[in-house]
Amino acid sequence: ETGVTQTPRHLVMGMTNKKSLKCEQHLGHNAMYWYKQSAKKPLELMFVYNFKEQTENNSVPSRFSPECPNSSHLFLHLHTLQPEDSALYLCASSIGGDSNQPQHFGDGTRLSIL
Amino acid sequence: QKEVEQDPGPLSVPEGAIVSLNCTYSNSAFQYFMWYRQYSRKGPELLMYTYSSGNKEDGRFTAQVDKSSKYISLFIRDSQPSDSATYLCAMNPGGNYQLIWGAGTKLIIKP
Repeated sequence: ETGVTQTPRHLVMGMTNKKSLKCEQHLGHNAMYWYKQSAKKPLELMFVYNFKEQTENNSVPSRFSPECPNSSHLFLHLHTLQPEDSALYLCASSIGGDSNQPQHFGDGTRLSIL
Repeated sequence: QKEVEQDPGPLSVPEGAIVSLNCTYSNSAFQYFMWYRQYSRKGPELLMYTYSSGNKEDGRFTAQVDKSSKYISLFIRDSQPSDSATYLCAMNPGGNYQLIWGAGTKLIIKP
């Protein structure tokens, strides 16, 4: 496989459930990102990891918990989500952590909170 | 005022037309400018990348930056139905600053 792969593609969960989103990149990049994309709104950066270290946390609620075990894998653990958290969650990677580096995106996980 | 403004559209044009997509911004420190294309049910993909002012051409696509007016454009010549997508602009001053994104313009090319 090449590029950035996200699983699952779709997820429906109740507000009390716990689930995890997975992202894997096969590009040899050192930085990985989580974004939230809502309809007609700009992409919202959530977290940045550079060489497995978290370098950015954009005041994201604690019900979202990221994990980066190595430079190729990124997880987003979800618990006690709210209906307004329904959105497309995109993972991206880049060669380095400078945000002027082009970012390569996965196709996202469409999350629906009941 | 948003840092980056982008008309959400949709913009609908006939096949073969020249398309102009635009973003305006407020931060004069922005130096890196990108255009991403996002097809339905797909992630964004980088289309054009420019540094500072000027034009950059790649096939049917031309990216233009006017820093004096704080305005960037993406032109698509000989537009095709396969160009139908949402186009996102993104920019930043460089270094450790985050990319700032526009909300995207939905483009529809009618056969």
